[in-house]
Amino acid sequence: DSGVTQTPKHLITATGQRVTLRCSPRSGDLSVYWYQQSLDQGLQFLIQYYNGEERAKGNILERFSAQQFPDLHSELNLSSLELGDSALYFCASSHPLNTGELFFGEGSRLTVL
Amino acid sequence: AQKITQTQPGMFVQEKEAVTLDCTYDTSDQSYGLFWYKQPSSGEMIFLIYQGSYDEQNATEGRYSLNFQKARKSANLVISASQLGDSAMYFCAMRDGGGAGSYQLTFGKGTKLSVIP
Repeated sequence: DSGVTQTPKHLITATGQRVTLRCSPRSGDLSVYWYQQSLDQGLQFLIQYYNGEERAKGNILERFSAQQFPDLHSELNLSSLELGDSALYFCASSHPLNTGELFFGEGSRLTVL
Repeated sequence: AQKITQTQPGMFVQEKEAVTLDCTYDTSDQSYGLFWYKQPSSGEMIFLIYQGSYDEQNATEGRYSLNFQKARKSANLVISASQLGDSAMYFCAMRDGGGAGSYQLTFGKGTKLSVIP
């Protein structure tokens, strides 16, 4: 158990819909990262938050947005969903004093039909 | 831009034998970190081992060791005494020096390891 909690574990929805994925980082970790894992693209970095502020942006679509709340949990919002958005979405957290290893949640598997 | 290359899509190893998973990287940074993660069929990503670019000794964690050759820009994972439970996808990843709290990782495409009884 990494200590990172993600909900929901599985989600099935239709094209055009909007979903929200939730992540609670490990106790004491200030950074939250979102990654997308698909068969064709591999593991792609989407976005990072550090102590409530956006720190880095990767290959995140404009239809996607995220935020980190004062209690450090984070949400990833995916809107106007397309078939190609079907993927495993990981949240990870890290502590600023460690060597940079990310601790991953179990992922949220999104299926868009 | 950073790049991680894993050239072995799939590998087979006999139980109790050692196996090496290849990873090469490309970066212009002097300070960076290299990681290996394991992803079993259940899907979770499990951190295995870390090597810093300034570390002189190769990292070891139990049956895992990282063969770090800086001049060749390679960071191969060696698993000794393979077990059936080692069957999984293995990802090599790299972070740059970053700032405090900025540890986004770039991942390779992964190698699927299958351990044969």
